[in-house]
Amino acid sequence: NAGVTQTPKFQVLKTGQSMTLQCAQDMNHEYMSWYRQDPGMGLRLIHYSVGAGITDQGEVPNGYNVSRSTTEDFPLRLLSAAPSQTSVYFCASSYSTFNSEAFFGQGTRLTVV
Amino acid sequence: AQTVTQSQPEMSVQEAETVTLSCTYDTSESDYYLFWYKQPPSRQMILVIRQEAYKQQNATENRFSVNFQKAAKSFSLKISDSQLGDAAMYFCAYRSANEGGSEKLVFGKGMKLTVNP
Repeated sequence: NAGVTQTPKFQVLKTGQSMTLQCAQDMNHEYMSWYRQDPGMGLRLIHYSVGAGITDQGEVPNGYNVSRSTTEDFPLRLLSAAPSQTSVYFCASSYSTFNSEAFFGQGTRLTVV
Repeated sequence: AQTVTQSQPEMSVQEAETVTLSCTYDTSESDYYLFWYKQPPSRQMILVIRQEAYKQQNATENRFSVNFQKAAKSFSLKISDSQLGDAAMYFCAYRSANEGGSEKLVFGKGMKLTVNP
């Protein structure tokens, strides 16, 4: 009954450091995506995947990298952290049917100093 | 590209009363889905209700109901008998029903609802 699991829940990085936010789902969902949430901005799509081996850019992809080697996992990599990447990050997954609900992880609060 | 607009950043309601949250969207598509998500202080995103654009009947889920006006591109959420646990951020979201668009949600900026005892 895990759903979508994100790790870590909190992280502080120094400018220029790299890190990977982990996301795993156990519902056999085809679609997975990463969003960032900033005050007054709602959730904006960073990258998404429609299946293993297939990824594409969303609205705000710069500075982030993704891969999808398995159905279950969809990590988000920050290549060289910048203060502008301070945000709350959400991973979501869903079935490929149009009306299916997106399930979200609990989010990662990232601070870049 | 589709856009979702929530024009009221904050609202408050007295416990047990009714409140309506507004949402408008812009799209050239005829088939799509609309959602309301709730985000309490725990940060968890929780689906409140969904509406298929091809259905004329408004969706309801217990105390939550929507007023879907397709021609006006309006999708408001009504919360009846408001409870303290309804206090949260509420996000309106759009999902295309077309290939090449259905894999992502487009969100509004959100609205903070306060429930006063």
